[in-house]
Amino acid sequence: DAGVTQSPTHLIKTRGQQVTLRCSPKSGHDTVSWYQQALGQGPQFIFQYYEEEERQRGNFPDRFSGHQFPNYSSELNVNALLLGDSALYLCASSLLALEQYFGPGTRLTVT
Amino acid sequence: AQTVTQSQPEMSVQEAETVTLSCTYDTSESDYYLFWYKQPPSRQMILVIRQEAYKQQNATENRFSVNFQKAAKSFSLKISDSQLGDAAMYFCAYRRPGLGQNFVFGPGTRLSVLP
Repeated sequence: DAGVTQSPTHLIKTRGQQVTLRCSPKSGHDTVSWYQQALGQGPQFIFQYYEEEERQRGNFPDRFSGHQFPNYSSELNVNALLLGDSALYLCASSLLALEQYFGPGTRLTVT
Repeated sequence: AQTVTQSQPEMSVQEAETVTLSCTYDTSESDYYLFWYKQPPSRQMILVIRQEAYKQQNATENRFSVNFQKAAKSFSLKISDSQLGDAAMYFCAYRRPGLGQNFVFGPGTRLSVLP
């Protein structure tokens, strides 16, 4: 049984560019949450998707947007990248939003 | 808003010894869940243990156990018989019950295990 997968593993972008990160949830899971983890800090909640809709959102600007597809996979889009967006982006999936299973993350570096 | 605090940025323990990681949280809710997650250098967050606030009995998973003090809003993790593979970042997390509730994580404690 495949767990949560994320792509790409690493990504380097330039300030002002746009980036798309992808997540496939664990088999049978219907809810996907995205977190940003800056170096040396705990993960910060970005938003959560369920039934292809954003159900809850953390304190992140509108530059951060997402999407969930009918197969429950999800994308995180970040526009107008800033240096401060450099972080590890974690995707977590769950069923009925109880225990969350995390993917290995995408390391984004903005130069 | 809920907050989670981990006052020990770094801890070390000798192999086979016992170590306790501290966590405190702030909430006005009476029903919630608390978690400890482990993040090794591979970056994968791994669930270590979970505690429901309505349960008085402390959760235990093999060598891992918690000391849950609801009135004090304290949730410490005890690792017994520490192994080299326990070396990682440990995050304490809080979550309200119900659909759509996100996790609130603490800043983490880096645990080193000395051979």
